[in-house]
This record gives sequence, structure tokens and C-alpha cells, in this order.
Amino acid sequence: DAKTTQPNSMESNEEEPVHLPCNHSTISGTDYIHWYRQLPSQGPEYVIHGLTSNVNNRMASLAIAEDRKSSTLILHRATLRDAAVYYCIRGPGGTTSGTYKYIFGTGTRLKVLA
Amino acid sequence: DTGVSQNPRHKITKRGQNVTFRCDPISEHNRLYWYRQTLGQGPEFLTYFQNEAQLEKSRLLSDRFSAERPKGSFSTLEIQRTEQGDSAMYLCASSFRDGLSYTFGSGTRLTVV
Repeated sequence: DAKTTQPNSMESNEEEPVHLPCNHSTISGTDYIHWYRQLPSQGPEYVIHGLTSNVNNRMASLAIAEDRKSSTLILHRATLRDAAVYYCIRGPGGTTSGTYKYIFGTGTRLKVLA
Repeated sequence: DTGVSQNPRHKITKRGQNVTFRCDPISEHNRLYWYRQTLGQGPEFLTYFQNEAQLEKSRLLSDRFSAERPKGSFSTLEIQRTEQGDSAMYLCASSFRDGLSYTFGSGTRLTVV
């Protein structure tokens, strides 16, 4: 159940792009990379997930290194509402059998400056 | 469906009392998870259900903790003989069988005094 490695905190200016890094050097071939974020006093919120290829959705983009040992969550234009703790999680997924759970680390606390 | 619902939102109890929390998942979701989160830490896995079957329990879940999911719908988490160390946010999440996207509730904050 190895956790991922993320910086404890990062700062960004409002309306600028933010790149949140994550290291997962022991990732297995079938592990997905998931990102969640948690705003104060709320439960975590799904952001994005990927396996090998880069992924885009309305919230963010996920860039996965070719060797899959690291990934970067990209927020294209940070807003004050993006201030949260961002968790990068590696784990199995996409299966319909077997057990599956997320192991959270302490995440990256993103501060967005107005 | 308005998401995952947890009740109560806050609970203050005296040490030694029993408490029970409820989680109502998204109705189409097969899987239901319980996590515990203390200040400054990420959520810690406690247990997980697929439909009504409890498939995995963390070592964190001592004998004082029990979870159920009768009929594969809502779930309850009971803590018996609460201790101050049980003070935490208890989070419930649900997902489809593929587990690729969890929906979390807002949690129940437990304070043991």
C-alpha cells in the first residue's frame, strides 16, 4: 500500500496555471492514478484519473510521464475556489472483482493568491 | 440523487458512550467505503462493502467498531465505548463496481469529551 509523494504546499496566483506534481515510482502496470481535492469542511471531491495517456476534463488535465513514475495535475486557470488539499492516489481500478481501496497521503495544500 | 448523505453532521459524545453514524450512498453505486480523517491528515481507510458484503476491514477498525450495510443500501458505522482518540471526521464514499470514481459525503465530525 505504498503512498505517493507530493509537496506539502504550493502557491499560485489567481488566473494562472498550476502544476501539481506527484511521484509514484513503485506504480504497477495496472495501477491507475487518481486525483481528488478536499475543500475545508467537506469530503474529498473527484478531480480526474488516468492510466497511461494524458487525460482532460472540465476541471483539470492529467499529464502522466512515459514511465508512469510521476504525474502532474494541471489546473489551467486557478481561481480562489481551487484552494484546497489535492491528493494524488495510485491504485487498482477498472475491475469488477476483487477488493479496491484508496490509500491517501497528506496531499498538497494549494493556496491561491488574489 | 443528490449525492452521498451522512448523518449526523456533528456528534459530541461522552467517553464510554456508543455512537452510530449513517451513510446513504448514491443508489446506483455497488460499493460503499468508510474512512476516518484526523486534522492535517489524509483520510484513512476503515472498511468497504460491495453490495451487502463487507469485503475488507482495516487493522484500524478495532473490535469496538462495527459497520453494516443491510440489503446493500445505506450503511451504519457504530463505535462502542468511545475513547478520546476516536475524535475525527468519519467519511463515507460510494462508487460503481469499477471503483474508478468515488463520491464522498460531507462526513460526520465526532468529538469525544
